Amino acid sequence: DAGVTQSPTHLIKTRGQQVTLRCSPKSGHDTVSWYQQALGQGPQFIFQYYEEEERQRGNFPDRFSGHQFPNYSSELNVNALLLGDSALYLCASSLASPQETQYFGPGTRLLVL
Amino acid sequence: DQQVKQNSPSLSVQEGRISILNCDYTNSMFDYFLWYKKYPAEGPTFLISISSIKDKNEDGRFTVFLNKSAKHLSLHIVPSQPGDSAVYFCAASEGTSGTYKYIFGTGTRLKVLA
Repeated sequence: DAGVTQSPTHLIKTRGQQVTLRCSPKSGHDTVSWYQQALGQGPQFIFQYYEEEERQRGNFPDRFSGHQFPNYSSELNVNALLLGDSALYLCASSLASPQETQYFGPGTRLLVL
Repeated sequence: DQQVKQNSPSLSVQEGRISILNCDYTNSMFDYFLWYKKYPAEGPTFLISISSIKDKNEDGRFTVFLNKSAKHLSLHIVPSQPGDSAVYFCAASEGTSGTYKYIFGTGTRLKVLA
């Protein structure tokens, strides 16, 4: 049973560029959440997707957008990259209920130069 | 405003002894709490959770205690093993409010000495 998978594992971009990160949820899960983890910090919630819609959003600018596909996989897009966007981006999958545990993937490490 | 706080950035414990990791929160609406363990270059791994209707939950060597009046939870690991060396994050959510996001603390690095 595959857990949450993410691609790519690492990425280097320059300021102003755009990036797309991908996530496949754990088998049986229909909900995907994205988190940003800066160095020395805990993960911060970006948004959650359920039934192909953004269900909840954290305090991140509109440069951060996402998508969920009918097979429940998801993408995170970041436009106009800033140096401060350098971080580990984590995808978590779960069932739809608020108290269902979220299970994390290995993350994508993004470096913006 | 840090709603979930882990005030000890690091902790060292001898193998076989008890490890106690602490977490404080400020939001009284939080009703679901979790602990995750994170190794370098990996995503957080779920360890154990507790609902606010309970004050203790146990799973093998791991026990989580919740003190709602003090807005404090702790994770006990007994006995500690070298493989437990990792960064531990506590997280909280307001599940019954229909909120799905987890709020994480900044983590505590546990080192178990052989």
